Amino acid sequence: GAVVSQHPSRVICKSGTSVKIECRSLDFQATTMFWYRQFPKKSLMLMATSNEGSKATYEQGVEKDKFLINHASLTLSTLTVTSAHPEDSSFYICSAKKLAGQREQYFGPGTRLTVT
Amino acid sequence: GEDVEQSLFLSVREGDSSVINCTYTDSSSTYLYWYKQEPGAGLQLLTYIFSNMDMKQDQRLTVLLNKKDKHLSLRIADTQTGDSAIYFCAESYMNYGGSQGNLIFGKGTKLSVKP
Repeated sequence: GAVVSQHPSRVICKSGTSVKIECRSLDFQATTMFWYRQFPKKSLMLMATSNEGSKATYEQGVEKDKFLINHASLTLSTLTVTSAHPEDSSFYICSAKKLAGQREQYFGPGTRLTVT
Repeated sequence: GEDVEQSLFLSVREGDSSVINCTYTDSSSTYLYWYKQEPGAGLQLLTYIFSNMDMKQDQRLTVLLNKKDKHLSLRIADTQTGDSAIYFCAESYMNYGGSQGNLIFGKGTKLSVKP
């Protein structure tokens, strides 16, 4: 199998605080992990691509200082939303690839972030 | 830029066939995908098709690709209530950083299956 987990599944935080979301590949090593944001009635927007041991590649319009991504190991990537604001409230989904050239991405269950 | 379009809603009766349509703009896409998202969950890959294929069938699922018109469809035969979900069409593209194989998604089609 290829299972990807995310933690937490739901988080509520106050405006101005930082929140860390974890993405883990449970039964495989992920050379590449992706972070997506999903708005209501909108498609998934790719935020960044992270490769183990190197800096993440951010998509245009995504603030790298606000959305910190760390891919410290082949099974873990973290997304930290710094100084969160209500407009950061969203559903964040990660995905992982087993091999760099592989086309299939395995998606996590998502994390619902609510900033009050 | 790249764009993927889908209708937002589709309602069918249990046992009927469902056809979900998608159009895309990037003619260089090599793979096109259909994902299923159940409420509150992540995405599940249903099927994919390589751009040099016209059709792919996998049990109740049939994918048709018209590369000339950049039109992709997903047909679900004998639709069941458990098929109720949001279905996303996606194409692969080269991202801003030059990496291949990243995905751009449509907005998703919400399929409602009535008993």
